[in-house]
Amino acid sequence: EAGVTQSPTHLIKTRGQQATLRCSPISGHTSVYWYQQALGLGLQFLLWYDEGEERNRGNFPPRFSGRQFPNYSSELNVNALELEDSALYLCASRAGGELFFGEGSRLTVL
Amino acid sequence: GEDVEQSLFLSVREGDSSVINCTYTDSSSTYLYWYKQEPGAGLQLLTYIFSNMDMKQDQRLTVLLNKKDKHLSLRIADTQTGDSAIYFCAETLSGGYNKLIFGAGTRLAVHP
Repeated sequence: EAGVTQSPTHLIKTRGQQATLRCSPISGHTSVYWYQQALGLGLQFLLWYDEGEERNRGNFPPRFSGRQFPNYSSELNVNALELEDSALYLCASRAGGELFFGEGSRLTVL
Repeated sequence: GEDVEQSLFLSVREGDSSVINCTYTDSSSTYLYWYKQEPGAGLQLLTYIFSNMDMKQDQRLTVLLNKKDKHLSLRIADTQTGDSAIYFCAETLSGGYNKLIFGAGTRLAVHP
């Protein structure tokens, strides 16, 4: 069974641009979570989607947004990129009490 | 409030036991987790414990939960060099939030 897959693996953007990251959950999982892991910091909760709806968001500005598609895959968009947005963005899907993470997308903002 | 705290670094000798500690603040946490992150990789779920349990053992891993003190620990028996990684403690909140709150991670270094 395929795990959580994320793309792209690496992404380099310049300040002010937009970035789009994608995530496919494990088959059968309807919930998708996004986390940001900045260098030297722990994981910060970004967004939770379930059944196509945004259920909760963390303490991030509105330029961080996303959506979940009917097939439960998800997209994270970051507008007006800032240098401090450089981080590893992790997606996870959930089954019961277990959260399964993808390998992450590393975003570098220059 | 929501806060999970861990010590940042632990160094052990190969073959010894490692104990990684974590404290959390939300008494309504339903699940508590330990994740492992190797360099350049995503997070791997190691084990989790329900809040109504006080111990869980899985091969070399033992999780102890002290709900009164809001303290969680992960013991790794016979630590190997392959156990070198960052270990994250996390709690999930009840009340419908359904999100994990992570600690900053403990970097475990295993030396010969």
